[in-house]
Amino acid sequence: AQSVAQPEDQVNVAEGNPLTVKCTYSVSGNPYLFWYVQYPNRGLQFLLKYITGDNLVKGSYGFEAEFNKSQTSFHLKKPSALVSDSALYFCAVRDIEDSNYQLIWGAGTKLIIKP
Amino acid sequence: DSGVTQTPKHLITATGQRVTLRCSPRSGDLSVYWYQQSLDQGLQFLIQYYNGEERAKGNILERFSAQQFPDLHSELNLSSLELGDSALYFCASSAGSNTEAFFGQGTRLTVV
Repeated sequence: AQSVAQPEDQVNVAEGNPLTVKCTYSVSGNPYLFWYVQYPNRGLQFLLKYITGDNLVKGSYGFEAEFNKSQTSFHLKKPSALVSDSALYFCAVRDIEDSNYQLIWGAGTKLIIKP
Repeated sequence: DSGVTQTPKHLITATGQRVTLRCSPRSGDLSVYWYQQSLDQGLQFLIQYYNGEERAKGNILERFSAQQFPDLHSELNLSSLELGDSALYFCASSAGSNTEAFFGQGTRLTVV
């Protein structure tokens, strides 16, 4: 069965420090992977995606993510956190073989950046 | 602006009532997804349509139903509402397999 795990409910980081939000996935075929951010009372905003090619993907707001096929992971990273990065982050996966284009979502990780 | 429009933005209704939430996807997007998000909770996938056909069903209650019309807009119908149905309901659309989904701003439903 397809699944996405975000093992941390909450991640706390001091402003200026690097941050990592973890995501691992399980699909039967090859994955398309996505990260989204949700600010309070707002819809989800797309940050970045991995489809093919370079394992390091750069996205919006200085975020990047590294696809690791052997570890089935797609961790979200940023070299220097900002207080404004505090939000809820969701990882999602889609199986390339899935003709229904289903998106499987992680439970979300609350990122708190402290000044 | 994601290009996905959801109406209404807010809805307050009484228990036992029925409501309809509407979603207009981005131009050209054939897939529409509906999600429920309770307070401080993750996304609960409800149902997905692709070009008018139901493609996947998640944890959607029998009291809930949805459809996608020929012009690709979609409606989510919630009936016999209960207090626990109070939540944010999101619609998202995508064009294809390797494209990201774009989310609307959601409909906040409050059942009193």
